[in-house]
Amino acid sequence: GAGVSQSPSNKVTEKGKDVELRCDPISGHTALYWYRQRLGQGLEFLIYFQGNSAPDKSGLPSDRFSAERTGESVSTLTIQRTQQEDSAVYLCASSLQSGPGTQYFGPGTRLLVL
Amino acid sequence: TQLLEQSPQFLSIQEGENLTVYCNSSSVFSSLQWYRQEPGEGPVLLVTVVTGGEVKKLKRLTFQFGDARKDSSLHITAAQPGDTGLYLCGLGGGGSNYKLTFGKGTLLTVNP
Repeated sequence: GAGVSQSPSNKVTEKGKDVELRCDPISGHTALYWYRQRLGQGLEFLIYFQGNSAPDKSGLPSDRFSAERTGESVSTLTIQRTQQEDSAVYLCASSLQSGPGTQYFGPGTRLLVL
Repeated sequence: TQLLEQSPQFLSIQEGENLTVYCNSSSVFSSLQWYRQEPGEGPVLLVTVVTGGEVKKLKRLTFQFGDARKDSSLHITAAQPGDTGLYLCGLGGGGSNYKLTFGKGTLLTVNP
């Protein structure tokens, strides 16, 4: 596709359940980023991939959060045992390479934990 | 920890008015990006500024980077309803530093 796609676009889950969020970056983009955007807040960095390695996981808020990337393509963000405070929009972005270049964002997945 | 503040947090104006929003950091940064995010969408890059004192124009939008590289402003002339959205500034750490630090944004509503 032409841009970054994310699925599902919306997810409602019950507290304690696990969820998987998917990101398809722009083809050829080696760098991939996950951010969280809570209501009324800015974007909070979660994790960065260069290729399929994750040199920086420092933004993951707890060990319930994990992410993987297959090669230089799809990435999944998994949240285990979801809590209500996990409710947010999860945004994925990709860029040609790391550095202060353009990050292209997907439309996000809106997660609501009841 | 780098603190980043955007102001105002909310701004509601009438079509045709001018406005300025601000992004201020507690420390010097190497680059700054302005994004606009429309409801239900991801942020879209508007501009990147890297040089102190730099001014960039994008149609009715004028972006200025402070001389000390700790602040930036975005001025919109003759605002239109299509300008409505969340304006975010993101700070880059420099070099190959991939991480952007974002402010909370300014939510702009332009009423017809």
